[in-house]
Parts: sequence; C-alpha cells; structure tokens
Amino acid sequence: QSVLTQPPSASGTPGQRVTISCSGSSSNIGSNTVNWYQQLPGTAPKLLIYSNNQRPSGVPDRFSGSKSGTSASLAISGLQSEDEADYYCAAWDDSLNGLFGGGTKLTVL
Amino acid sequence: QVQLQESGPGLVKPSQTLSLTCTVSGGSISSGSYYWSWIRQPAGKGLEWIGRIYTSGSTNYNPSLKSRVTISVDTSKNQFSLKLSSVTAADTAVYYCARYSYGYAGYFDYWGQGTLVTVSS
Repeated sequence: QSVLTQPPSASGTPGQRVTISCSGSSSNIGSNTVNWYQQLPGTAPKLLIYSNNQRPSGVPDRFSGSKSGTSASLAISGLQSEDEADYYCAAWDDSLNGLFGGGTKLTVL
Repeated sequence: QVQLQESGPGLVKPSQTLSLTCTVSGGSISSGSYYWSWIRQPAGKGLEWIGRIYTSGSTNYNPSLKSRVTISVDTSKNQFSLKLSSVTAADTAVYYCARYSYGYAGYFDYWGQGTLVTVSS
C-alpha cells in the first residue's frame, strides 16, 4: 500500500483530456514538491513533470501538473496513442524518505 | 550524456545477500548536486524507493528496508552499490539505479535500464 494514493487505472479516447490524481498528506505532498514519471512498457521511468507543474525540455505541453494542499494532479490533453503508459507521482516526506504513488495505468481506447 | 548501468547476479538464493553495482559514465559521480539512488519494481507492480547516497557517504534508506540495506559509493570507480541482506521471494524485482538532481528543483533525471533480480533456490 503506497503512502501516495493514485487510481490504478484511467482511460480516454484520442483527443480527450485525462487527469490522474495523487493524494498524500501534510508530511509529504503538503510540504514538498511533486514530480511525475511516465513509464512505457519495458522501459525505465522518465521524468514528465517536476516541481509540481514544470515540464522538462522535450516534454509536450499537452502534459501539465498541479498541486493543491496534500493532493496533486497530472493532466494530459489531446490524448494520443503513444501516451499509453504507467504514470507515477513522487515526493519526499519530511523524514527524507522517497515516496512513489502506486501508479496509474493509462489506456488510450 | 550521463548513463547509468546496473550489474550483478540475476539470481540470488533466499536468505543470501543481493549485491548490485551501478556504473556511472558521461560524468563524475562526485561532481554536481546529486544523490545516487536505488529503486525497485516487482513485476506488474509499482516503484519502491530503496535509498540514496550522497558522495560524502551520507545515506537515507526506506524505513521498511533499512535493517537490511546498505548503499555505498566508490568515487574512484564512478560507481555506487546496493547490498540487501536476508532476501526472500518478495525481493524479486527489477532494480534501477538513478541519479537525483537537486538544487532549485529536485528530480530523478537519469535512470539505468534496470536489472531483474530473482530470489529463488
């Protein structure tokens, strides 16, 4: 059971907007920034969003992140087939332990 | 371009110690504002942070694994290592090494490809 809670699955059709939530507590998300990683099948995770809402260079602006209180969200607009992957939120807790959400499997219908 | 590569036995017997090494190329492990981490992922499951080390030698470990984990660094070889003792089948997973870049913002920016370690007799 992950300390950061994500829905196990999400889905959408091409062109749609999908959001994935990540719920934590005051000792992790509430007091630290959130990053999001995308993991394509059989590959290592890749940084998608850092510091709650910043995109690394090369990440399309279809991906956006937000944080409010002890929760964070990842939004994907203009959904494409290549977005089908597992998505993980991540944060540190106040004891300097690394935390990942349980992951959300995104299916593009 | 920084690259990380895990190496070590793919099969470990129960109760023994799992040992993996991550070799960093394309940059010095001692330079910059980085933590060097190990993360694992059981088949079909999510990511689990194991721990991290700074090149000064300071470490942080996942509390659930702390009694069995040791992460060390060898700056002369540009490597860092993981030892996990008293392994059981529950420790079977793909093990990733990763670089955590910190400063104004912090994130895992480079990952190894991962190595599968199976615990079985």
